[in-house]
Amino acid sequence: RKEVEQDPGPFNVPEGATVAFNCTYSNSASQSFFWYRQDCRKEPKLLMSVYSSGNEDGRFTAQLNRASQYISLLIRDSKLSDSATYLCVVPRGGSYIPTFGRGTSLIVHP
Amino acid sequence: GAVVSQHPSWVICKSGTSVKIECRSLDFQATTMFWYRQFPKQSLMLMATSNEGSKATYEQGVEKDKFLINHASLTLSTLTVTSAHPEDSSFYICSGRNYRDQQETQYFGPGTRLLVL
Repeated sequence: RKEVEQDPGPFNVPEGATVAFNCTYSNSASQSFFWYRQDCRKEPKLLMSVYSSGNEDGRFTAQLNRASQYISLLIRDSKLSDSATYLCVVPRGGSYIPTFGRGTSLIVHP
Repeated sequence: GAVVSQHPSWVICKSGTSVKIECRSLDFQATTMFWYRQFPKQSLMLMATSNEGSKATYEQGVEKDKFLINHASLTLSTLTVTSAHPEDSSFYICSGRNYRDQQETQYFGPGTRLLVL
């Protein structure tokens, strides 16, 4: 299994839809997890941190399943502006060195 | 969130020249900065971890003599691509590690697009 694995998509959804992405990781010692958003030709920007069982911020919910070693990101009521690539970041077990997934592309259409 | 700047934002150079990229944490002290490279439609690949006052730690396959990293202060790290070639053309992004309130976050600079002709 790769260190961090994501379905590259693209996920093509209409405005208002609910969409969820998963990210699996291989190192069970990893403690903290992050979701970043990257727009085309721009730098990644932090969307959410996931430190324990989960985190919610408005329309965005991130959850962690340690037993199955995956984190998820749920976006409710999708907006056109949510179109981007969503990157999962998992520090290497026992360190803070980050490993990025290849990202999941989301396209929200009218 | 915290702010990281990068300079220059883009550079075009001839093959064989050296290019220096600066990464600054503007409102926090970053004892650790990371340098990444991203090719089109690919993920960010970590090149090296830069620790203030010590030598950088390079990822496997990254030539330390080609990609010189200097982290002389808590707010500045530089990456020098020496004798750049067309295959070095890429999007170079730095990030600063911010540890506060028992939480750790990385803040990214806006990136530098390098085109080597």
